[in-house]
This record gives sequence, C-alpha cells and structure tokens, in this order.
Amino acid sequence: NAGVTQTPKFQVLKTGQSMTLQCAQDMNHNSMYWYRQDPGMGLRLIYYSASEGTTDKGEVPNGYNVSRLNKREFSLRLESAAPSQTSVYFCASLAGDEFIGAYEQYFGPGTRLTVT
Amino acid sequence: SQQGEEDPQALSIQEGENATMNCSYKTSINNLQWYRQNSGRGLVHLILIRSNEREKHSGRLRVTLDTSKKSSSLLITVSRAADTASYFCATDSTGYKLSFGAGTTVTVRA
Repeated sequence: NAGVTQTPKFQVLKTGQSMTLQCAQDMNHNSMYWYRQDPGMGLRLIYYSASEGTTDKGEVPNGYNVSRLNKREFSLRLESAAPSQTSVYFCASLAGDEFIGAYEQYFGPGTRLTVT
Repeated sequence: SQQGEEDPQALSIQEGENATMNCSYKTSINNLQWYRQNSGRGLVHLILIRSNEREKHSGRLRVTLDTSKKSSSLLITVSRAADTASYFCATDSTGYKLSFGAGTTVTVRA
C-alpha cells in the first residue's frame, strides 16, 4: 500500500514550457486534491475532484488544468509555466466524502517546481 | 482565502517541555483537523475534532475546540526532538474541502 505517490519529485522549467504533474492513490478514495505551498502561506487549493469524472476549481486555479483520469489518478498540468508558479505542489486524497463527512486527507511527498 | 490562522508563527522549546499552538478561524465548521509537516515532506494527519466536541486526546496530543470563540489549540506534551516540524490547522466547512492556515513552526531543542 503506497498511499499517495507523486512524480516527479523535482522539476525545473523555463518560462513558457509546459508540464504535467502526476498523482496516484491506491486507497480507493473518491476525492483528490491539488495544493500549492508557498513560504508563509500554508496550502492553497488549486483544483479538486470529488469523484471520478468531476473536477472543480479551488482557490488559485488560474494557469492550471487538471484531469481525473480514473479513480486512482489525478494530474495537474501547467500549459505555459510562469515564475509565479514556482512552488511545492502536493496531491492529496480524502478518506470520507461529502455525504458522511470529511475525514483526514492523505498527502503525497510533493513536487518541487522551479520556473526560471 | 485561508480560513485558519495559527499562532504563534514559530515556537522554540526544550525537550521535555510542552508546546501549545492556537488556531483561529472565521466561519462555522464541521470539524477541525491538525496536520504535521516535517521538513521537505508531505503533511500527515494528526487528529480531527468535530464541531460538537470540546476536547480530544491522542497519545501526547491534546486538542481543544471552542466554537463560540472560533478557536482551537493543540498541545504537545513532553516534547521530543522528533516533534520538530510545522503544524497546520485545517477547517472543514463543506464536508470535502479543507482550508489550511499558514502553520506554526516548532523547534524542539535537545
């Protein structure tokens, strides 16, 4: 049971390049999330997916797109990277759902992205 | 916008001492959760307290919740060097989305 896995662990991009961050969970969770973490700002929600086939914007969605490929996988795409997107990106999945109440989120190890 | 705000931003204590950090939030919640993040790692869930609970214990952790003041506290007793980490409160108002604060960085000195 690997939990939540993310690839890559580190990435350096030039302004304007694109890339996809991959996330997978093996806990059969319905809901998955993408956050970014910047110094002194805690975690901010970029996008989430409450179930397979659905995605919704979070607090800071501009410049990002997501795909919920299946129940296990939720990817985050940067179409044209900007220096403001330099951050640490975390994927998470949720034990529980909106009908029975949220429980804890399980986090991946993070992707450290630098855009130059 | 972030719902929770932790206080203090940073805390340095001696091994064996207790560490207390606080979280304030703005809107009504279903539950409040505390997470720990070790340097360079993802967040790990520590404890969840529901809106109808006032206090909860888990090992050396004690969490209180005062919904009238919209605040919570996390107490770590008899701290160890391994407790050095950042601690985040997260509020659940929707049932499936969490809103995180900026965190408290705790350093436990040997």
